[in-house]
Order: sequence, then structure tokens, then C-alpha cells
Amino acid sequence: EVHLAESGGDLAQPGGSLRLSCAPSGFSFSSYAMSWVRQAPGKGLEWVSSIGGSGGSKYNADSVTGRFTISRDNSKNMLYLQMTSLRAEDTAVYYCAKHGDPYGYDHFDSWGQGTLVTVSS
Amino acid sequence: EIVMTQSPATLSVSPGERVIFSCRASHGVNNNLAWYQQKPGQAPRLLISGVSTRATGVPARFSGSGSGTEFTLTISSLQSEDFAVYYCQQYNNWPRTFGQGTKVEIK
Repeated sequence: EVHLAESGGDLAQPGGSLRLSCAPSGFSFSSYAMSWVRQAPGKGLEWVSSIGGSGGSKYNADSVTGRFTISRDNSKNMLYLQMTSLRAEDTAVYYCAKHGDPYGYDHFDSWGQGTLVTVSS
Repeated sequence: EIVMTQSPATLSVSPGERVIFSCRASHGVNNNLAWYQQKPGQAPRLLISGVSTRATGVPARFSGSGSGTEFTLTISSLQSEDFAVYYCQQYNNWPRTFGQGTKVEIK
């Protein structure tokens, strides 16, 4: 059974940094692209960033380009999101999500429980 | 960016009723369209991918259809556990985009 466990969410000050982690299990991690999707309080879903199975291809939403960096360590089975220059509008629950087909950036077939990032002074 | 528009924003429905959700894309997305269900305090759950393919474990009362820019999700007979928010999402173009969601509430 696929399981995704996010961690690292916290209260951060505007301009600060945080690193989110996602620990996957139950599938061949290196064969699947992974993404981060966020949800601001009371709002809808917003795709943030995606990374290919090998880590060589990365895609970011314009709203986070230059501030957030997605990465993965296949040897440790971990996915990360390094967040810098945080803004109040980055406040959200951040979900780690697995793509459905090997090596593709298709639908999200599994989601973690989410980790809350709050940006406030 | 492909804008996904869902309508209506809220549906008031009685158990047992048929429910139809609409999702419109600003540009064609081929068959790269998924639907998700989200209950309060929970992560989203994949219902449908590729316009009409039900995910593992999704009841047959859920069905998807459409093509190009117009898509629908139908629940043939709404059950109590189906009260939730439903999102469509395109994965044809970057950035990946979601609709704003349709909330199904008890009538």
C-alpha cells in the first residue's frame, strides 16, 4: 500500500525558510515523478512543483519560481521542498503527491496527509 | 495557463439523487483530465483519471465523461459519504491546474 508522510511544516516569519520532507513507502520511489500541491486555508488546490523520477526534470509554478526548490534523494527514499523568501500567501497545507504512471507527470494517484506551513510575524 | 472552471460552486442535494458536476477548460486538454474528492480535514482522493477511468476502489456510481474542453463527473445516486468537495484537474499542460471545486452539501 502506498503511503506518503509529510513533515517539516511550521510557523515561519515572512522572508524566512523552511524545508518540507515527504517519506514515501509502498512503491518503487525512483520510478515515479512526485509533486507538491498546496491548499491555503478554506481555498482550493494549487499545484506547486514537480520532479521526475531521476530528479533531472523539475517544474515549478510561477508563484514559487526562484523561491522554492523541489528535490529528491532516491537512495534515502525522500522528497523535499526547500522554501525560501516565504510570504504570507504561502500559508497553506502542503501535500506530497505521487503521479499515477511510471515516468509520467499525469494525475496524482496518492496523497499524503499534508503538513501545515504558516507564514506570519 | 489553462484555466479550469467548475460549476456550480455549491450543490444542495438529497441522498439518492443524481449529481452532475461540470468542468470546463480554457483550452483543449485531450484526455488528460482527472477528478478528485476531498472531505473536510482530509487529503484529496483520486476518483477518475483519463476523463473516465475510475481509480482503484472507487464505486461504480461515479463516472466521468467529456472531451476537449468540456467534462462532467456524475454520481448516479448520491450516498451520505459522498458529501464533499470535488475538483477537476488538467495534466496536459504546465502549469498543472485545478478547478476551484464544487461543494456538495445536504439539502
